[in-house]
Amino acid sequence: DAGVTQSPTHLIKTRGQHVTLRCSPISGHKSVSWYQQVLGQGPQFIFQYYEKEERGRGNFPDRFSARQFPNYSSELNVNALLLGDSALYLCASTPRNWDDEQYFGPGTRLTVT
Amino acid sequence: RKEVEQDPGPFNVPEGATVAFNCTYSNSASQSFFWYRQDCRKEPKLLMSVYSSGNEDGRFTAQLNRASQYISLLIRDSKLSDSATYLCVVNTNTGNQFYFGTGTSLTVIP
Repeated sequence: DAGVTQSPTHLIKTRGQHVTLRCSPISGHKSVSWYQQVLGQGPQFIFQYYEKEERGRGNFPDRFSARQFPNYSSELNVNALLLGDSALYLCASTPRNWDDEQYFGPGTRLTVT
Repeated sequence: RKEVEQDPGPFNVPEGATVAFNCTYSNSASQSFFWYRQDCRKEPKLLMSVYSSGNEDGRFTAQLNRASQYISLLIRDSKLSDSATYLCVVNTNTGNQFYFGTGTSLTVIP
């Protein structure tokens, strides 16, 4: 079975632009979470979606938004990019609820110049 | 105060050594606890869940101390392949959030 997939793998944007990152969960998984990992730090929670509804939100500005589609795939959108948004963006899926083990995708490495 | 705190290391140990990592968490209402492993430039992967009674998986032993609000990971007979960053993860029941520590870097030396 395919694992969590994310696209694109790498992305370079300039300050002020917006970006859309995509994630497909493991087949049968209904929950998707997004994390930001800056070099040398652990992943920081951004959003969690379950059954197409937002179930959790981390301490990130409103420039960050997300949604989950009927097929349980998800998009993370970031507007007005800042240099500090450069990071590895990880998507994780779980079968059901929020306290299950998480399965991570390979991530999207975003560089903002 | 951070939700989860870990000693970032690095820990450099010889093959065959025993090494232990600790992690403290601030929210006493935390429900679930995990150790993840992350190799360089790769995604985190679940190493083991941590149960109240403690649990063991081969050379790895995890313990939870709710009274002192810390979890630990013990690796016995270290192998070169154990070299990685070990992330402590805590899930609270407020806001459905998983909190990761900064990770502890381990290098096992031949």
